[in-house]
Amino acid sequence: EAGVAQSPRYKIIEKRQSVAFWCNPISGHATLYWYQQILGQGPKLLIQFQNNGVVDDSQLPKDRFSAERLKGVDSTLKIQPAKLEDSAVYLCASESGGSYEQYFGPGTRLTVT
Amino acid sequence: GEDVEQSLFLSVREGDSSVINCTYTDSSSTYLYWYKQEPGAGLQLLTYIFSNMDMKQDQRLTVLLNKKDKHLSLRIADTQTGDSAIYFCAEKPGNAGNMLTFGGGTRLMVKP
Repeated sequence: EAGVAQSPRYKIIEKRQSVAFWCNPISGHATLYWYQQILGQGPKLLIQFQNNGVVDDSQLPKDRFSAERLKGVDSTLKIQPAKLEDSAVYLCASESGGSYEQYFGPGTRLTVT
Repeated sequence: GEDVEQSLFLSVREGDSSVINCTYTDSSSTYLYWYKQEPGAGLQLLTYIFSNMDMKQDQRLTVLLNKKDKHLSLRIADTQTGDSAIYFCAEKPGNAGNMLTFGGGTRLMVKP
């Protein structure tokens, strides 16, 4: 079974630029999560999708971050405009219905200069 | 509120047992997890325990849960150099949603 795929693996941008990250969850997994992991800290949830609907986006800085999962499979997370403090690893995770196991992708490491 | 705490660092010798500790505050947590993160990689699910259990063993891994004290531990038997990584404890609250709340991670260093 293929794992959670993310791209790109690394991205370097200047502040005020925009960036987008892509996630393809494990096939059949209805729930998809985006987490932000700042260096030296544990991951923090940004947004949770159930199929193509948002379950929880209370921690998403909506003035600059947006996310979508239009067809209930792949998801895109966008930052516009980026700030220096957005430098982090962005992790995507997925979970099948009725399971208690979240599986993580390799992450996208974002550096904002 | 929800808060998960871990010690920052643990160093052991190869072949010894490692014990990584975690405390949490949400008494309604349903599941508690241990993840492993190697440099430059995502999080690997190691094991998890349901809150009505007090112990779970899986090969070299033993999870102990003291629900009264809200304390979780992960014991790795016969620790190997390949076990060197950051270990994260996480809880799944009992309220709505399936989000995980993570601790800050414990860096395990295994010396040969």
